[in-house]
Amino acid sequence: AQSVTQPDIHITVSEGASLELRCNYSYGATPYLFWYVQSPGQGLQLLLKYFSGDTLVQGIKGFEAEFKRSQSSFNLRKPSVHWSDAAEYFCAVRFGNQFYFGTGTSLTVIP
Amino acid sequence: NAGVMQNPRHLVRRRGQEARLRCSPMKGHSHVYWYRQLPEEGLKFMVYLQKENIIDESGMPKERFSAEFPKEGPSILRIQQVVRGDSAAYFCASSPRTSGGADEQFFGPGTRLTVL
Repeated sequence: AQSVTQPDIHITVSEGASLELRCNYSYGATPYLFWYVQSPGQGLQLLLKYFSGDTLVQGIKGFEAEFKRSQSSFNLRKPSVHWSDAAEYFCAVRFGNQFYFGTGTSLTVIP
Repeated sequence: NAGVMQNPRHLVRRRGQEARLRCSPMKGHSHVYWYRQLPEEGLKFMVYLQKENIIDESGMPKERFSAEFPKEGPSILRIQQVVRGDSAAYFCASSPRTSGGADEQFFGPGTRLTVL
């Protein structure tokens, strides 16, 4: 069965520090992978997506993610975190008509 | 170009009442998806609809829940005889098509349902 795992429920980083959010998936073929961000009380906004080609994809707000087939991972990174990045981050994989979401990683940014 | 719109944003119902959640997809999008998000959890797929057709309802509870996307007007998620366990945020998403697989879904702001 398809599944998405985000092993870190909550991460705290200092403003200006680098960030990596982990995402692992279970899927039989090359998946379509997405990262979304959700601010409190808001819907989800797409940060970036991967479906083929270069395994390092660039997204909005300075985020990037790298697809590693051998590790079944699609980790999200940002070299320097801003206070406004505090939010909930969801990794998702698309299979057929459905998106499967991870349980999310809550990011806290401290000054 | 307006994004996905959902209303109401907040809905309070007493146990046993009906809840109707509405979703207007982005202009030009003919595919609508409904998700439910329980506190501290990710989104769980409920149903996928095209105009006048339910394509995949495998994530929707068999009883009390129904969804439609009529030829005219918004998509409606209907929950009959609500119970406290139905309290959650319900998100609608739309996309222009499903072929290709790489099409992202555009999400609305959600409807937060509270059942008293």
